[in-house]
Amino acid sequence: GENVEQHPSTLSVQEGDSAVIKCTYSDSASNYFPWYKQELGKRPQLIIDIRSNVGEKKDQRIAVTLNKTAKHFSLHITETQPEDSAVYFCAASRPDRGSTLGRLYFGRGTQLTVWP
Amino acid sequence: NAGVTQTPKFQVLKTGQSMTLQCAQDMNHNSMYWYRQDPGMGLRLIYYSASEGTTDKGEVPNGYNVSRLNKREFSLRLESAAPSQTSVYFCASRRQGWNQPQHFGDGTRLSIL
Repeated sequence: GENVEQHPSTLSVQEGDSAVIKCTYSDSASNYFPWYKQELGKRPQLIIDIRSNVGEKKDQRIAVTLNKTAKHFSLHITETQPEDSAVYFCAASRPDRGSTLGRLYFGRGTQLTVWP
Repeated sequence: NAGVTQTPKFQVLKTGQSMTLQCAQDMNHNSMYWYRQDPGMGLRLIYYSASEGTTDKGEVPNGYNVSRLNKREFSLRLESAAPSQTSVYFCASRRQGWNQPQHFGDGTRLSIL
């Protein structure tokens, strides 16, 4: 099956700095890569996703880049704010054999702390 | 539009007791999923269901059973709870298509003593 690795496991930045979280995946058939943010005690919430027909996608201060050749994708947060503090999960998805169901394979998460 | 609703939000069980966690979605999604989340382990898939009447095992299915009662509801059952099943359980759903995002419920925090 797919194996998604995420680094770093913890990241501390000063407010206003940028934060970058990196993920690698093993299965070249994976074609969909969402990122989730989980605040303490809350549900994971989708913040951005990218499909393999594009190399980069931006939404205000958040961007995701994808390198299919190297099988890695990254989350970039610019001008970080204390409310960006949370755990961030990357994931990869591909169709299951014989179906279009697909599964999400998650990384283990990155605890981002933004200091005022 | 409530999205994905899980009940209960918290539960404490004794070892050996049984329990069913309930999940319902009102987004007309076909696929539904059960995950458990443990510190440092991320989200691990227990079972999933492509449609009513079908279920498949995920990474960590041992000790659990599921039922896809209808398109809206997907329940997770612990027949004989063990301390190792202490965790936060999340239900999720997604519309048809492997490249669509999953939407999560608020979770059930389960402690087994």
